[in-house]
Amino acid sequence: QVQLQQSGAELAKPGSSVKISCKASGYTFTSYYISWIKQTTGQGLEYIGYINTGSGGTNYNEKFKGKATLTVDKSSSTAFMQLSSLTPDDSAVYYCARDYYDGYYWYFDFWGPGTMVTVSS
Amino acid sequence: DIQMTQSPASLSASLGETISIECRASEDVYSNLAWYQQKSGKSPQLLIYAANRLQDGVPSRFSGSGSGTQFSLKISGMQPEDEGDYFCLQGSNFPYTFGAGTKLELK
Repeated sequence: QVQLQQSGAELAKPGSSVKISCKASGYTFTSYYISWIKQTTGQGLEYIGYINTGSGGTNYNEKFKGKATLTVDKSSSTAFMQLSSLTPDDSAVYYCARDYYDGYYWYFDFWGPGTMVTVSS
Repeated sequence: DIQMTQSPASLSASLGETISIECRASEDVYSNLAWYQQKSGKSPQLLIYAANRLQDGVPSRFSGSGSGTQFSLKISGMQPEDEGDYFCLQGSNFPYTFGAGTKLELK
Protein backbone atom coordinates (compact mmCIF):
# COMPACT_ATOMS: atom_id res chain seq x y z
CA GLN A 1 0.00 0.00 0.00
CA VAL A 2 1.11 3.56 -0.65
CA GLN A 3 2.84 5.12 2.35
CA LEU A 4 4.62 8.41 2.87
CA GLN A 5 6.70 8.47 6.03
CA GLN A 6 7.86 11.85 7.28
CA SER A 7 10.63 12.78 9.67
CA GLY A 8 9.92 13.85 13.22
CA ALA A 9 9.05 17.17 14.77
CA GLU A 10 11.64 19.94 14.68
CA LEU A 11 12.34 22.73 17.14
CA ALA A 12 14.51 25.36 15.49
CA LYS A 13 15.87 28.77 16.34
CA PRO A 14 15.07 31.86 14.28
CA GLY A 15 17.52 32.28 11.42
CA SER A 16 18.37 28.59 11.21
CA SER A 17 17.33 25.94 8.68
CA VAL A 18 15.59 22.58 8.90
CA LYS A 19 15.39 19.71 6.42
CA ILE A 20 12.32 17.48 6.45
CA SER A 21 12.20 14.10 4.75
CA CYS A 22 9.38 12.15 3.11
CA LYS A 23 10.11 8.48 2.38
CA ALA A 24 7.76 6.81 -0.08
CA SER A 25 6.89 3.13 -0.32
CA GLY A 26 4.32 0.90 -1.95
CA TYR A 27 4.60 2.35 -5.46
CA THR A 28 7.14 3.31 -8.13
CA PHE A 29 8.61 6.47 -6.63
CA THR A 30 9.61 8.13 -9.88
CA SER A 31 6.16 7.73 -11.44
CA TYR A 32 4.60 10.45 -9.30
CA TYR A 33 5.61 13.95 -8.32
CA ILE A 34 5.74 14.90 -4.64
CA SER A 35 4.22 18.13 -3.39
CA TRP A 36 4.67 19.95 -0.11
CA ILE A 37 1.92 21.77 1.77
CA LYS A 38 2.03 24.03 4.83
CA GLN A 39 -0.79 24.03 7.38
CA THR A 40 -1.33 26.56 10.12
CA THR A 41 -4.37 27.42 12.21
CA GLY A 42 -4.32 30.99 10.99
CA GLN A 43 -3.54 30.60 7.28
CA GLY A 44 -5.00 27.17 6.64
CA LEU A 45 -3.41 25.11 3.87
CA GLU A 46 -0.81 26.71 1.62
CA TYR A 47 0.77 25.04 -1.36
CA ILE A 48 4.57 25.23 -1.40
CA GLY A 49 5.51 23.44 -4.60
CA TYR A 50 6.34 20.14 -6.21
CA ILE A 51 9.32 18.13 -7.29
CA ASN A 52 9.51 15.84 -10.28
CA THR A 53 10.90 12.76 -8.58
CA GLY A 54 12.34 11.43 -11.83
CA SER A 55 14.22 14.49 -13.08
CA GLY A 56 14.55 16.52 -9.88
CA GLY A 57 12.86 19.47 -11.56
CA THR A 58 10.91 21.75 -9.26
CA ASN A 59 8.11 24.29 -9.37
CA TYR A 60 7.58 26.64 -6.43
CA ASN A 61 4.71 28.80 -5.35
CA GLU A 62 6.11 32.32 -5.69
CA LYS A 63 5.38 32.89 -2.01
CA PHE A 64 7.83 30.17 -0.99
CA LYS A 65 10.68 30.89 -3.38
CA GLY A 66 13.80 31.47 -1.33
CA LYS A 67 12.16 29.86 1.71
CA ALA A 68 11.77 26.23 0.60
CA THR A 69 14.18 24.06 -1.38
CA LEU A 70 12.93 20.72 -2.67
CA THR A 71 15.27 17.85 -3.47
CA VAL A 72 14.99 14.12 -4.02
CA ASP A 73 17.09 10.99 -3.53
CA LYS A 74 15.79 8.39 -5.96
CA SER A 75 18.00 5.67 -4.50
CA SER A 76 16.09 5.81 -1.22
CA SER A 77 12.71 6.95 -2.62
CA THR A 78 12.89 10.00 -0.40
CA ALA A 79 11.92 13.60 -1.01
CA PHE A 80 13.26 16.44 1.09
CA MET A 81 12.26 19.99 1.86
CA GLN A 82 14.70 22.44 3.39
CA LEU A 83 13.30 25.56 5.01
CA SER A 84 15.80 28.35 5.48
CA SER A 85 16.09 31.63 7.40
CA LEU A 86 13.36 30.45 9.74
CA THR A 87 11.05 32.90 11.49
CA PRO A 88 8.14 32.24 13.86
CA ASP A 89 5.82 32.52 10.81
CA ASP A 90 7.35 29.29 9.53
CA SER A 91 5.99 27.39 12.53
CA ALA A 92 3.50 24.96 11.03
CA VAL A 93 2.75 21.39 10.15
CA TYR A 94 4.31 20.51 6.82
CA TYR A 95 2.90 17.70 4.72
CA CYS A 96 4.30 15.88 1.75
CA ALA A 97 1.75 14.44 -0.65
CA ARG A 98 1.79 12.27 -3.75
CA ASP A 99 0.59 14.10 -6.83
CA TYR A 100 -1.87 12.49 -9.15
CA TYR A 101 -1.77 14.02 -12.63
CA ASP A 102 -3.20 12.38 -15.73
CA GLY A 103 -2.61 15.29 -18.07
CA TYR A 104 -5.75 17.08 -16.96
CA TYR A 105 -6.65 16.47 -13.33
CA TRP A 106 -4.14 17.34 -10.63
CA TYR A 107 -4.76 16.44 -7.00
CA PHE A 108 -3.02 14.81 -4.06
CA ASP A 109 -4.10 11.23 -3.54
CA PHE A 110 -1.94 10.30 -0.55
CA TRP A 111 -0.52 12.48 2.20
CA GLY A 112 2.21 11.92 4.74
CA PRO A 113 1.42 12.23 8.46
CA GLY A 114 2.93 15.70 8.66
CA THR A 115 5.99 17.17 10.36
CA MET A 116 5.55 19.87 12.94
CA VAL A 117 8.14 22.64 12.80
CA THR A 118 8.32 25.06 15.70
CA VAL A 119 10.52 28.13 15.42
CA SER A 120 11.34 29.67 18.76
CA SER A 121 14.30 31.21 20.50
CA ASP B 1 -3.62 32.95 -7.71
CA ILE B 2 -7.10 31.45 -7.76
CA GLN B 3 -9.00 32.13 -4.55
CA MET B 4 -11.21 29.36 -3.18
CA THR B 5 -14.04 30.61 -0.99
CA GLN B 6 -15.51 27.87 1.13
CA SER B 7 -18.73 27.96 3.16
CA PRO B 8 -19.87 27.54 5.79
CA ALA B 9 -16.88 27.82 8.11
CA SER B 10 -18.58 25.50 10.56
CA LEU B 11 -21.59 23.24 10.59
CA SER B 12 -23.38 21.14 13.16
CA ALA B 13 -25.47 18.23 11.89
CA SER B 14 -27.68 15.60 13.49
CA LEU B 15 -27.22 11.88 12.92
CA GLY B 16 -28.64 10.98 9.51
CA GLU B 17 -28.95 14.58 8.36
CA THR B 18 -27.89 15.53 4.84
CA ILE B 19 -25.44 18.40 4.63
CA SER B 20 -23.71 20.39 1.91
CA ILE B 21 -20.48 22.33 1.81
CA GLU B 22 -19.76 24.83 -0.96
CA CYS B 23 -16.60 26.02 -2.67
CA ARG B 24 -16.49 28.92 -5.09
CA ALA B 25 -13.46 29.59 -7.27
CA SER B 26 -12.41 33.11 -8.30
CA GLU B 27 -11.78 31.79 -11.82
CA ASP B 28 -12.94 28.87 -13.89
CA VAL B 29 -11.26 25.67 -12.69
CA TYR B 30 -13.40 23.49 -14.99
CA SER B 31 -13.84 20.24 -13.04
CA ASN B 32 -10.37 20.24 -11.52
CA LEU B 33 -11.60 20.22 -7.95
CA ALA B 34 -11.00 17.78 -5.11
CA TRP B 35 -12.46 17.41 -1.62
CA TYR B 36 -10.65 16.20 1.47
CA GLN B 37 -11.56 15.19 5.00
CA GLN B 38 -9.17 15.83 7.84
CA LYS B 39 -9.73 14.40 11.29
CA SER B 40 -8.14 15.95 14.33
CA GLY B 41 -4.41 15.38 14.42
CA LYS B 42 -4.42 13.41 11.17
CA SER B 43 -3.45 14.11 7.60
CA PRO B 44 -6.08 14.87 4.94
CA GLN B 45 -7.80 12.01 3.16
CA LEU B 46 -9.05 12.30 -0.42
CA LEU B 47 -12.82 11.95 -0.78
CA ILE B 48 -13.69 13.30 -4.22
CA TYR B 49 -11.61 14.19 -7.27
CA ALA B 50 -12.50 15.62 -10.67
CA ALA B 51 -15.40 17.39 -8.92
CA ASN B 52 -17.65 14.34 -8.72
CA ARG B 53 -15.59 11.12 -8.75
CA LEU B 54 -15.56 9.12 -5.54
CA GLN B 55 -12.13 7.96 -4.38
CA ASP B 56 -11.83 4.21 -3.87
CA GLY B 57 -12.93 3.15 -0.40
CA VAL B 58 -14.90 6.32 0.36
CA PRO B 59 -18.50 5.66 1.48
CA SER B 60 -21.15 6.36 -1.14
CA ARG B 61 -22.91 8.86 1.14
CA PHE B 62 -20.25 11.33 0.00
CA SER B 63 -20.84 12.98 -3.36
CA GLY B 64 -19.51 15.98 -5.24
CA SER B 65 -20.99 18.19 -7.91
CA GLY B 66 -20.32 21.35 -9.86
CA SER B 67 -18.00 22.71 -12.51
CA GLY B 68 -16.49 26.03 -13.48
CA THR B 69 -16.55 28.15 -10.35
CA GLN B 70 -19.21 26.55 -8.14
CA PHE B 71 -18.80 23.23 -6.38
CA SER B 72 -20.40 21.36 -3.54
CA LEU B 73 -19.75 18.34 -1.36
CA LYS B 74 -22.78 16.51 0.00
CA ILE B 75 -22.96 14.01 2.82
CA SER B 76 -26.22 12.08 2.59
CA GLY B 77 -26.83 10.92 6.12
CA MET B 78 -24.38 12.26 8.70
CA GLN B 79 -22.48 9.59 10.66
CA PRO B 80 -20.41 10.06 13.83
CA GLU B 81 -17.22 9.21 11.93
CA ASP B 82 -17.87 12.11 9.52
CA GLU B 83 -16.90 14.68 12.13
CA GLY B 84 -13.83 16.60 11.05
CA ASP B 85 -12.61 19.36 8.79
CA TYR B 86 -13.38 19.42 5.10
CA PHE B 87 -11.65 21.46 2.45
CA CYS B 88 -11.52 21.82 -1.29
CA LEU B 89 -8.50 22.01 -3.59
CA GLN B 90 -8.28 23.41 -7.10
CA GLY B 91 -5.75 21.68 -9.32
CA SER B 92 -6.38 23.69 -12.46
CA ASN B 93 -3.91 26.56 -12.10
CA PHE B 94 -0.52 26.67 -10.40
CA PRO B 95 -0.11 27.42 -7.55
CA TYR B 96 -2.82 25.04 -6.44
CA THR B 97 -5.01 26.55 -3.76
CA PHE B 98 -7.25 25.34 -0.97
CA GLY B 99 -10.48 26.46 0.57
CA ALA B 100 -10.27 27.69 4.16
CA GLY B 101 -12.11 24.64 5.45
CA THR B 102 -15.38 23.67 7.07
CA LYS B 103 -15.53 22.21 10.55
CA LEU B 104 -18.30 19.60 10.73
CA GLU B 105 -19.59 18.46 14.10
CA LEU B 106 -22.24 16.02 15.20
CA LYS B 107 -25.08 17.73 16.99
